[in-house]
Amino acid sequence: RKEVEQDPGPFNVPEGATVAFNCTYSNSASQSFFWYRQDCRKEPKLLMSVYSSGNEDGRFTAQLNRASQYISLLIRDSKLSDSATYLCVVNDWNKIIFGKGTRLHILP
Amino acid sequence: NAGVTQTPKFQVLKTGQSMTLQCAQDMNHNSMYWYRQDPGMGLRLIYYSASEGTTDKGEVPNGYNVSRLNKREFSLRLESAAPSQTSVYFCASNAKTGAKNIQYFGAGTRLSVL
Repeated sequence: RKEVEQDPGPFNVPEGATVAFNCTYSNSASQSFFWYRQDCRKEPKLLMSVYSSGNEDGRFTAQLNRASQYISLLIRDSKLSDSATYLCVVNDWNKIIFGKGTRLHILP
Repeated sequence: NAGVTQTPKFQVLKTGQSMTLQCAQDMNHNSMYWYRQDPGMGLRLIYYSASEGTTDKGEVPNGYNVSRLNKREFSLRLESAAPSQTSVYFCASNAKTGAKNIQYFGAGTRLSVL
């Protein structure tokens, strides 16, 4: 099993829709979790941390399921500007592991 | 508000040429990283430096060398460039709070080796 796995997509979603994608991780001892966003030909940027209790930031909700070893990102009322690649990041104590990303296209 | 600054932004090399990619951060972070990103491969770690004076190999170190010149600067050198090193290179620095590592990236260097 790969350390961090994501569906590469692309997810083609109409504007205004809700979209969700998951990321699985292999190390049950992983400590912390994040979602990053990467626009085309740009650097990755932190979108949000993921907490065990789940957390929201505006239209974005992140969840962690330790029992099944996955994290999720839900985007509500999607905007054209949400089109990007979303990278899942898992921290072990001394290691930072990036997923390969899920591409999201929001369609007008 | 500079954050992580990389130079150059673009570079074209001929096979066998050498060059150094520069990276500097002004956030007083201890750890710095060099990644390469290729289509379909995601980010792959080349080298990292946990603190000033230390460097360690990552997943794909062959063909590269690094220097942690001081706390601010971490450079990546290609001694004899090969077409397989055509890629986008990102430098990052790390803010660590307990087990939480948040990485801040530079804007990247787009390198083509002909």
